[in-house]
Amino acid sequence: GAVVSQHPSWVICKSGTSVKIECRSLDFQATTMFWYRQFPKQSLMLMATSNEGSKATYEQGVEKDKFLINHASLTLSTLTVTSAHPEDSSFYICSAGGETRRVGEQFFGPGTRLTVL
Amino acid sequence: AQTVTQSQPEMSVQEAETVTLSCTYDTSENNYYLFWYKQPPSRQMILVIRQEAYKQQNATENRFSVNFQKAAKSFSLKISDSQLGDTAMYFCARSGSRLTFGEGTQLTVNP
Repeated sequence: GAVVSQHPSWVICKSGTSVKIECRSLDFQATTMFWYRQFPKQSLMLMATSNEGSKATYEQGVEKDKFLINHASLTLSTLTVTSAHPEDSSFYICSAGGETRRVGEQFFGPGTRLTVL
Repeated sequence: AQTVTQSQPEMSVQEAETVTLSCTYDTSENNYYLFWYKQPPSRQMILVIRQEAYKQQNATENRFSVNFQKAAKSFSLKISDSQLGDTAMYFCARSGSRLTFGEGTQLTVNP
């Protein structure tokens, strides 16, 4: 149980285009979803926290107009990177919380590798 | 800021031996959870073990066990009978409104 999927797993796009990444909790209702960014050999950096039906809370230094997060249902959150540039190339990971039997725990998607040319 | 510290950026161990990864944390809460996550080359985050702070008994999961010292705010991970598949980045994390991660320890198991 507590499976989180993420799509796509790898995306290459041209500079200036927008990219949408989907995160789904497959077998539980995720009241809260989290989006992280990870550079090679570094830890996970929290970008934003979203609760279903509410606006996302962004971490300091994260541009909310560039990284649009929507959490429209208890099983789906999306991250849209708008007008992507090469410096946005990174590994993006989503996670979901709210599984009632596993308080405090987050369940992670497999990640999305974004390459902006 | 409430932090999680992993003081060993890299470690290596021979197959079948035992290795301990260190983690210390800071918190002002009394009830919280602690986790060790493993991130292999696939980069999928995998939960290794979790510990509820209100439980005195150290958590164990097969070859993985923790030494939880609440007063010292220490939460180390012991891997027994290391296997090649244990090679990965290991992250210690503390719960709150969010997970706070340490910087990670890259563990290499050598044949």
